[in-house]
Amino acid sequence: ETGVTQTPRHLVMGMTNKKSLKCEQHLGHNAMYWYKQSAKKPLELMFVYNFKEQTENNSVPSRFSPECPNSSHLFLHLHTLQPEDSALYLCASSHLSGGVAGELFFGEGSRLTVL
Amino acid sequence: DQQVKQNSPSLSVQEGRISILNCDYTNSMFDYFLWYKKYPAEGPTFLISISSIKDKNEDGRFTVFLNKSAKHLSLHIVPSQPGDSAVYFCAASAGAGSYQLTFGKGTKLSVIP
Repeated sequence: ETGVTQTPRHLVMGMTNKKSLKCEQHLGHNAMYWYKQSAKKPLELMFVYNFKEQTENNSVPSRFSPECPNSSHLFLHLHTLQPEDSALYLCASSHLSGGVAGELFFGEGSRLTVL
Repeated sequence: DQQVKQNSPSLSVQEGRISILNCDYTNSMFDYFLWYKKYPAEGPTFLISISSIKDKNEDGRFTVFLNKSAKHLSLHIVPSQPGDSAVYFCAASAGAGSYQLTFGKGTKLSVIP
């Protein structure tokens, strides 16, 4: 099992669809993250979960809804997206203890295309 | 306004020579810096980091240099190998403990055999 796995790897959806991205980490980490990588832009942090508690929401539109049922799983629920939301969505995990974060371990990403 | 800048979108280097990837930052609160490497169709992987209390950190063929006064860091790869061809991201945080990483746009390195 690879450390951080994301499914699906590719997703094409219409603006009225509802879909979800899934992330699972097998590293025993307690923090999980969603990042967005758009073309010609830096990686942007979207959400951070620490022990299932959301600790960061970087002004992400409500059409993106994260869910962290346990420290190993992270979802990103998508609804009524816009074409400009097309991007690579990367999940990452790290060990976070007393506010000290270790290096990030990334999944392979989910390539999202919104038509 | 970008706080971490990688001004060279791409770099080509001959195999065996040195690759130097540059990164500039503007936020003086940043004190921990990392380099990530990304192959196509894969997620970024951690390469090397440096704390602001150091000016150099070395790991095998990879060395990161930090110039705090210039707010500049660089990644040196020597000797460069074709397998080093990838996109390299510079990232910074305010504190080694911070989970808020600010990334640059990346530099695509091509090592020519």
